[in-house]
Amino acid sequence: EIVMTQSPATLSVSPGERATLSCRASQSVRTNLAWYQQKPGQAPRLLIYGASTRATGTPARFSGSGSGTEFTLTISSLQSEDCAVYYCQQYNNWPPITFGQGTRLEIK
Amino acid sequence: QLQLQESGPGLVKPSETLSLTCTVSGASISSGTYFWGWIRQPPGKGLDWIGSIYYSGSTDYNPSLKRRVTISIDTSNNQFSLKVNSVTAADTAVYYCARLGWTGNYMDVWGEGTTVTVSS
Repeated sequence: EIVMTQSPATLSVSPGERATLSCRASQSVRTNLAWYQQKPGQAPRLLIYGASTRATGTPARFSGSGSGTEFTLTISSLQSEDCAVYYCQQYNNWPPITFGQGTRLEIK
Repeated sequence: QLQLQESGPGLVKPSETLSLTCTVSGASISSGTYFWGWIRQPPGKGLDWIGSIYYSGSTDYNPSLKRRVTISIDTSNNQFSLKVNSVTAADTAVYYCARLGWTGNYMDVWGEGTTVTVSS
């Protein structure tokens, strides 16, 4: 099973600033990596797949990068509505599909 | 517009079977393009993939749950279902159904989720 590790656990960023979230895989997942945003009381929402492809409706301020074992989700200019928990997920080696434990993004 | 909606009992007794159904609207699950899956989230915790199914009935399960889980599909009613046997308090969670993307096993459309509590 591939273990996904996200860092930091909690990130506090001021509005308008850049937020950088990290995800590491225990072995290579090539670019078979997705990012999700989950707000309180809501289902997760797909933001990025293929490590860097924005899903339909994902604002351009969200970008994904990386391959192999190291991945990054960047929010270029943080908006108040970006306050959420963000999860990465690998789909290269499955079953099982595995998720990271999440990064909580707070507005400073 | 594609929508998924989970339904089923919100309370299940320990040792009994949890049964949920996901009703898909706005697209046919028998189109053959997509897989359909179940994911759960225990209170205050992260996401766990339970398993997935294709319209043909082919399934994949999380090895950690495989002995207790069955996912089935009903193309005539555009639904797929989840059963978890011998439940314990550890199975208490929000259960989501989702469509898996056509270029890979990421979840591109989610249901709103349903809370299932295991308690006597």
